[in-house]
Amino acid sequence: NAGVTQTPKFRVLKTGQSMTLLCAQDMNHEYMYWYRQDPGMGLRLIHYSVGEGTTAKGEVPDGYNVSRLKKQNFLLGLESAAPSQTSVYFCASSQWTAEKLFFGSGTQLSVL
Amino acid sequence: AQKVTQAQTEISVVEKEDVTLDCVYETRDTTYYLFWYKQPPSGELVFLIRRNSFDEQNEISGRYSWNFQKSTSSFNFTITASQVVDSAVYFCALSLGAGNNRKLIWGLGTSLAVNP
Repeated sequence: NAGVTQTPKFRVLKTGQSMTLLCAQDMNHEYMYWYRQDPGMGLRLIHYSVGEGTTAKGEVPDGYNVSRLKKQNFLLGLESAAPSQTSVYFCASSQWTAEKLFFGSGTQLSVL
Repeated sequence: AQKVTQAQTEISVVEKEDVTLDCVYETRDTTYYLFWYKQPPSGELVFLIRRNSFDEQNEISGRYSWNFQKSTSSFNFTITASQVVDSAVYFCALSLGAGNNRKLIWGLGTSLAVNP
């Protein structure tokens, strides 16, 4: 059972480039989340989804877009990367909103 | 205000010492959930425990124990006889609201170093 899988694990972008982070879960969870983790800032929610075809903004959504076309996948897009988006990104999923989160292993993104 | 405070930014202990990680939360809600997660050096966050606001019983799991006290709005985590493998960042989190409006409020984490 793979759980939550994130790809890629590392990526370096130049300012202005675009990219998509992929999150896949095999637990049939309804809820999926994208977080970013920065030193001294803890975990901050970017966007989340409460089911296939739905997305919603979290605390820090600017500069990011998401899509959940299939229940098992949650994509995070950066249309025009900025150095401020240098961070570690985590995807997570849960069966319902007050349930424990299952996290992916993270993506280290550097924007130069 | 809705907030989770982990006042200890970093803790360093020697192996076999007991260590307590503090978590203080603020909310006016009467129904909520509290969580602890562990983030080892490998980076992936791992769930440790969930406690709902109506269950104040302390919990023990091996060397780990949790003390939930609503009177002081605290949900502290104790590791007994710490080991090097316990070195990690530990996060406390508070889940509020209902249904799809529920939100999870994270503390900033406590970095624990257990030295041999």
